Amino acid sequence: AQSVSQHNHHVILSEAASLELGCNYSYGGTVNLFWYVQYPGQHLQLLLKYFSGDPLVKGIKGFEAEFIKSKFSFNLRKPSVQWSDTAEYFCAVNARSSASKIIFGSGTRLSIRP
Amino acid sequence: GAVVSQHPSRVICKSGTSVKIECRSLDFQATTMFWYRQFPKKSLMLMATSNEGSKATYEQGVEKDKFLINHASLTLSTLTVTSAHPEDSSFYICSAPSGGAGTDTQYFGPGTRLTVL
Repeated sequence: AQSVSQHNHHVILSEAASLELGCNYSYGGTVNLFWYVQYPGQHLQLLLKYFSGDPLVKGIKGFEAEFIKSKFSFNLRKPSVQWSDTAEYFCAVNARSSASKIIFGSGTRLSIRP
Repeated sequence: GAVVSQHPSRVICKSGTSVKIECRSLDFQATTMFWYRQFPKKSLMLMATSNEGSKATYEQGVEKDKFLINHASLTLSTLTVTSAHPEDSSFYICSAPSGGAGTDTQYFGPGTRLTVL
């Protein structure tokens, strides 16, 4: 069975700082990878996804993530964060053999100081 | 993008009663839908996979007699929390995939906050 680890539980940054949130997954087969964001009081929204092709994927709001297969990682990055990026970020994996079932990481809470 | 709705958004019930939560895909059809439970400041825990036309598939540790799932049509799945107790209080979220096999993306509903008194 697949699993997802997010090692940073809470990250606090100042505006304009660079961001990198770690995500590692455990699964031997082919996977699809996702980052979702949940703003305070709102529902989950897809930030970006990787299915195949270029391992560097760009998402909405200036976020990007890089799939490194050898490291089983899919870290999320943003060069310069804004106060509005304050939210909970979830990495997720879907094993292609498991009919769309998605497993989520434990989430990383990002707090941005204005 | 695809839209998934849930109803109700909030429900408060007495202990021992049953509560039904609906999940609808508004502009696409979904042969499978997923139900998650999110505890405060925690991640989403997959509860079950709802399958149109067949029985739901439950994750380990989830009581199927407690959380009844019915996938009535290609756009509707319902989760019924039977004989609810305070420990069932949580945020329940559904999702539905949209897209081709191997490339689909999950779209999430806004969630239902259940409070059992």
